[in-house]
Amino acid sequence: NAGVTQTPKFRVLKTGQSMTLLCAQDMNHEYMYWYRQDPGMGLRLIHYSVGEGTTAKGEVPDGYNVSRLKKQNFLLGLESAAPSQTSVYFCASLSPGRNVWGQFFGPGTRLTVL
Amino acid sequence: GESVGLHLPTLSVQEGDNSIINCAYSNSASDYFIWYKQESGKGPQFIIDIRSNMDKRQGQRVTVLLNKTVKHLSLQIAATQPGDSAVYFCAENIIQGAQKLVFGQGTRLTINP
Repeated sequence: NAGVTQTPKFRVLKTGQSMTLLCAQDMNHEYMYWYRQDPGMGLRLIHYSVGEGTTAKGEVPDGYNVSRLKKQNFLLGLESAAPSQTSVYFCASLSPGRNVWGQFFGPGTRLTVL
Repeated sequence: GESVGLHLPTLSVQEGDNSIINCAYSNSASDYFIWYKQESGKGPQFIIDIRSNMDKRQGQRVTVLLNKTVKHLSLQIAATQPGDSAVYFCAENIIQGAQKLVFGQGTRLTINP
């Protein structure tokens, strides 16, 4: 049981390049989330999904797109990367209705945009 | 607006002592709170949670206290160990059909030998 995994672990992009971050969970969780974490700050929600085929905007959605074609995967896309998107990105998942409502987090992807 | 903040960005304690990490929240409608621990280079790890209909909840060496009157949350760690060194975040859960968390800035806890 791997939990929540993220690919890649590190990435360096040039301004204007595009990329997709992949999040996968093997816990059969319905809800999935993408956060970014900047130095000295807590995590901020980018987008989230409450089920396969559904997505919604979070606190800081601009410049990002997401897709949830399969229940176990949640993709985060940057169409035209900007230096302001340099950050550590975390994916999380949970299954509502259980006793514990805490989200399970992946190990993170460190992205640098030059 | 919706915000969660922490009183202290850093906290140093002696190994074996108890530590208390504080958190203030502003959304009176939130009914669920979580404490996370984040070690360097890793994702946040769930520690303990509490619902708004509770004042206190205890886990293994950790206790969370909730004071809804002053919108204050605290995490108490008993008999701290070197492995407790990490950044601790409180998170406020806004129930809007999905578990949307609002995180505080975080407190870095350092355990001195």
